[in-house]
This record gives sequence, C-alpha cells and structure tokens, in this order.
Amino acid sequence: DAGVIQSPRHEVTEMGQEVTLRCKPISGHNSLFWYRQTMMRGLELLIYFNNNVPIDDSGMPEDRFSAKMPNASFSTLKIQPSEPRDSAVYFCASSLARGDLKGAEAFFGQGTRLTVV
Amino acid sequence: AQSVTQPDIHITVSEGASLELRCNYSYGATPYLFWYVQSPGQGLQLLLKYFSGDTLVQGIKGFEAEFKRSQSSFNLRKPSVHWSDAAEYSCPEGGSEKLVFGKGTKLTVNP
Repeated sequence: DAGVIQSPRHEVTEMGQEVTLRCKPISGHNSLFWYRQTMMRGLELLIYFNNNVPIDDSGMPEDRFSAKMPNASFSTLKIQPSEPRDSAVYFCASSLARGDLKGAEAFFGQGTRLTVV
Repeated sequence: AQSVTQPDIHITVSEGASLELRCNYSYGATPYLFWYVQSPGQGLQLLLKYFSGDTLVQGIKGFEAEFKRSQSSFNLRKPSVHWSDAAEYSCPEGGSEKLVFGKGTKLTVNP
C-alpha cells in the first residue's frame, strides 16, 4: 500500500482565497483524522471521521474550516476564506479502529505545507 | 480530559550518547501510549506503543520506552544516538478514540 496520500504537498495562496486540501487514506482503514501543526501549538486535532461520519469536530477553529468525507477513500479539508494565521502544516492520518475505537495506530501522510500571504 | 506533557521542547545530545525523552500523561483510565518520530519534511512514523502487559516496550530503530504508572510517565530511551535520529518526537495518548498530542520534543544530534 502507498500509505496515506495527501495533496498538494505545498500550497501558497493569497489571503481571502479558498484552499482545499486532499487526503486518500489507506485502503481498508475506517477512521480518518485531520491535524494541524504549528510551532506554537504543536499537533492539534481538527476533526476525525469514523466510517465516513464526522465524530468530533470540536478542534475546527472556526466556520471558515470545513471537512468532508464523501466515501471511504477520500477526504477534503477546506478553508474559505483563508487567512495568514492559517499558515501551518496540515496532516491527514488514518487508522483501522476496532470495537471501542481506542488505541488504534494512526498512519500519517507527509502533510501539506500551507502558506497564506 | 486526557493530555500529555513533554517537558523538554528541545534537547541536544552528542552522537553516541544515551538519550531519554520525557513524557507525562494525564488520563484516569488505562492509557494507550505511543511514541512517534517526525523527520524534517516528513510525516509521523510510529516507534512503539503501550497498551498493557510488560511495562518495558521495545520499538524500531533501537528505541525503547518504559511505562511507570506511579509517575504517570512513558519516557523514551536509546542507549546510543545516531546522527539520523535528529527529528521531532511526540508521545500522544490514544485512550479516547483519538490521538492527543503534546507539543513534542525536538532532538538535535551533534557530531
């Protein structure tokens, strides 16, 4: 398996523009996570899905952020409109969660480095 | 609520020296603990994990970690560090369906 695939690897956009980040999880995995990494805050969980259903989006910073998972093999994280403070590395991860969903190893993509100017 | 603390933001060691990275967790039930490594420009790779059983866990790349419930700690160790170990290390807790990360520890290795 190719692992978790994220695109694009780098994105530079102007403030106010819409940004869409994409993620293809590992085939067969049933949980998907979006994280944001900054120097100040480290890795923060934004949202996660189980069986394509959003379970917890309490980490989504504001209404400008939205995430979808239309099927088991694809997810998007959208920022509209983007702001300079959104600049960060965004990671997608997937896992195969069983039973009570605890303790499943998460496999991470290589991340998307977003710069908003 | 679950949380993890990595007290050291940045550690520098010499190549060949021993290493210990600290991790403290705050979780009432049995914790599910992991150590991940992130090389520059890369995603996170799992080094090892602990759910139950033997409190000394062996991982990849010569790393090990010891779970100490009395100290709420899960410190990562390596007897002899290599230059390629320079990276960011994170110890998330995963006992509530999702991985909760601390701020990580950046390891620099001097020649």
